[in-house]
Amino acid sequence: EAGVTQSPRYAVLQEGQAVSFWCDPISGHDTLYWYQQPRDQGPQLLVYFRDEAVIDNSQLPSDRFSAVRPKGTNSTLKIQSAKQGDTATYLCASSFQGAGNTLYFGEGSRLIVV
Amino acid sequence: QQKVQQSPESLSVPEGGMASLNCTSSDRNFQYFWWYRQHSGEGPKALMSIFSDGDKKEGRFTAHLNKASLHVSLHIRDSQPSDSALYFCAGNYNQGKLIFGQGTKLSIKP
Repeated sequence: EAGVTQSPRYAVLQEGQAVSFWCDPISGHDTLYWYQQPRDQGPQLLVYFRDEAVIDNSQLPSDRFSAVRPKGTNSTLKIQSAKQGDTATYLCASSFQGAGNTLYFGEGSRLIVV
Repeated sequence: QQKVQQSPESLSVPEGGMASLNCTSSDRNFQYFWWYRQHSGEGPKALMSIFSDGDKKEGRFTAHLNKASLHVSLHIRDSQPSDSALYFCAGNYNQGKLIFGQGTKLSIKP
C-alpha cells in the first residue's frame, strides 16, 4: 500500500516569493493534516481536514498561508510572500478518523527562504 | 503555553542500555497520548499509544501513563543504534487533533 506522498521534496525561495506544496494521502483516509516543523523542533499543527471540510485552522497564518482539499482526497498548502521565518519542513499526514487512530506522515517538503 | 512538555532535550545511552524519556501535559482534555519517532530526513512514525493508567508494553518499548499527574514516559530496553532518533510525545484530542511536544534527541553509542 502506498504511503503519504508529498511534493516537492525541497524548495528554495527568495523572500516575497510564493510556493505550493502538494499532498496525496493514503487511500481511504478521511482526515488530512498539515504540520510545520522547524529544524530540531516538534511538528506544529497548521490545519486539518475531515473529507473536504476544514476542522481546525486556528494556527494557520491566514494572511499568507492557505490550504485546500477540494475533493476530500489530495491537498495543497500555499505560502504567499514567503518570509525567512517560514523556513521549515512542511509535513502532511493522514488518518482514518478517531482519536485513537495512527497518523501516517509523508517525508515532508523542506522549505528554505533566503 | 506548550501543552506537551518533554524532557530531557537530549539523551545519550550506551548500546544495550535502557533509555527513559519523559513527557508532561497541561491539558486534561487529551484522550490519548502517543509516542512518535523520527529518523533524520523522514517523517515521524508512530511507536505506540496509551490511554489507560499504568504500563503498556510493545516489544522493547514500554509506555507508562499516570492520569492524575498527566505524566507519560517511554522506556526503551536493550537500546540499539537504530533507536537513535528524535522522539516526540503527543496528545490526542477526541476530534483527532494531535499536538506534539518539542522532542527528545536520543543517541545510542556503540
